[in-house]
Amino acid sequence: AQSVTQPDIHITVSEGASLELRCNYSYGATPYLFWYVQSPGQGLQLLLKYFSGDTLVQGIKGFEAEFKRSQSSFNLRKPSVHWSDAAEYFCAVGGTGGTSYGKLTFGQGTILTVHP
Amino acid sequence: EPEVTQTPSHQVTQMGQEVILRCVPISNHLYFYWYRQILGQKVEFLVSFYNNEISEKSEIFDDQFSVERPDGSNFTLKIRSTKLEDSAMYFCANGAATSTDTQYFGPGTRLTVL
Repeated sequence: AQSVTQPDIHITVSEGASLELRCNYSYGATPYLFWYVQSPGQGLQLLLKYFSGDTLVQGIKGFEAEFKRSQSSFNLRKPSVHWSDAAEYFCAVGGTGGTSYGKLTFGQGTILTVHP
Repeated sequence: EPEVTQTPSHQVTQMGQEVILRCVPISNHLYFYWYRQILGQKVEFLVSFYNNEISEKSEIFDDQFSVERPDGSNFTLKIRSTKLEDSAMYFCANGAATSTDTQYFGPGTRLTVL
């Protein structure tokens, strides 16, 4: 069965500092990996996704993530955090392995707090 | 970015009552999903729907749940007899061409069962 682990429930950084949010996944076939962000009262917005090819993917709002198959990881990074980045971040895995039809499995989420 | 809308934003109901949650999908996006998030827990997959039939469902999606596109446009989730543990945020998601395409999420409906 597919699963996603986000080890950090809550992270606090200062504005302008760099950020890395960790994500580890378990999936039997080729994974499709996603990072979504959720601001309070909002739905889930896609930041970026990895399907194949270049293992370093660029997303919106200056975010990037690197797929490392050997470590089963897909960590999200941003070189300089802005106060508006404060939100909850979800890593998700999906794919067409077996009988999956696009089902996404989400991690627990990481709440990001940004100090001025 | 394409937008999925959901109504109502908040639904309060008594235990045992039926509720219908509605989702207006993106035009020409043919893959539909429902997820839910119980407060403080993970976002969980409920069901996927394509070509007017369920493609996959989780063990959460029991006989009390059903989905349909009654008018060929809106996508609904019905809970026949709500339980306290059904209280959660319910998200509709919509994908375009394939089951691995990006899923666009709606803002959610917060269901409170009393």
